[in-house]
Amino acid sequence: SQQGEEDPQALSIQEGENATMNCSYKTSINNLQWYRQNSGRGLVHLILIRSNEREKHSGRLRVTLDTSKKSSSLLITASRAADTASYFCATANQAGTALIFGKGTTLSVSS
Amino acid sequence: DVKVTQSSRYLVKRTGEKVFLECVQDMDHENMFWYRQDPGLGLRLIYFSYDVKMKEKGDIPEGYSVSREKKERFSLILESASTNQTSMYLCASSLRPMGLGEKLLFGSGTQLSVL
Repeated sequence: SQQGEEDPQALSIQEGENATMNCSYKTSINNLQWYRQNSGRGLVHLILIRSNEREKHSGRLRVTLDTSKKSSSLLITASRAADTASYFCATANQAGTALIFGKGTTLSVSS
Repeated sequence: DVKVTQSSRYLVKRTGEKVFLECVQDMDHENMFWYRQDPGLGLRLIYFSYDVKMKEKGDIPEGYSVSREKKERFSLILESASTNQTSMYLCASSLRPMGLGEKLLFGSGTQLSVL
């Protein structure tokens, strides 16, 4: 069961540009998380936003959450080639026992 | 440095073989998870465990079983490997249940090819 769906599936930008990825989910949530995956490796946790938060920042990352639209966005400002990776949103399943991931957005940043 | 370790980075097996994928965490985490990742399908949950000897089915448990005899080790077992089980397998762990806002710590993954 896919809870979150990212959009777009793929994104190509130049270094220095901003990258925005969106995530939509289906059921009510307590929080939403974003993860990053470098090619062929495991995922790394980036940021968590709680349902009572509208916006959260961490370095060059900005995450927003709109619970009325059941959507979240991840903004990476001033992108670097090293930001090239796949980005996933994730929410807990209904029982709160496991994380369910979307299909991800593949970001390519060229120099 | 805390980590989740998967025993093999790459694995090649033959159809019909019994395959064991091992995962060990050194953080005394209660919860451990197995996902598989396929192009265009994202991560899908196979099984998870919230305590020693406890297991729960995820979204795609068919063809797999798991074992958690010790808290730090969670094994994924392919009883009779098939070509459609060729995939990247990712192990993860967390200290508390995910509904409490816990984050997952992932291993580096095992790329399994079944020929």
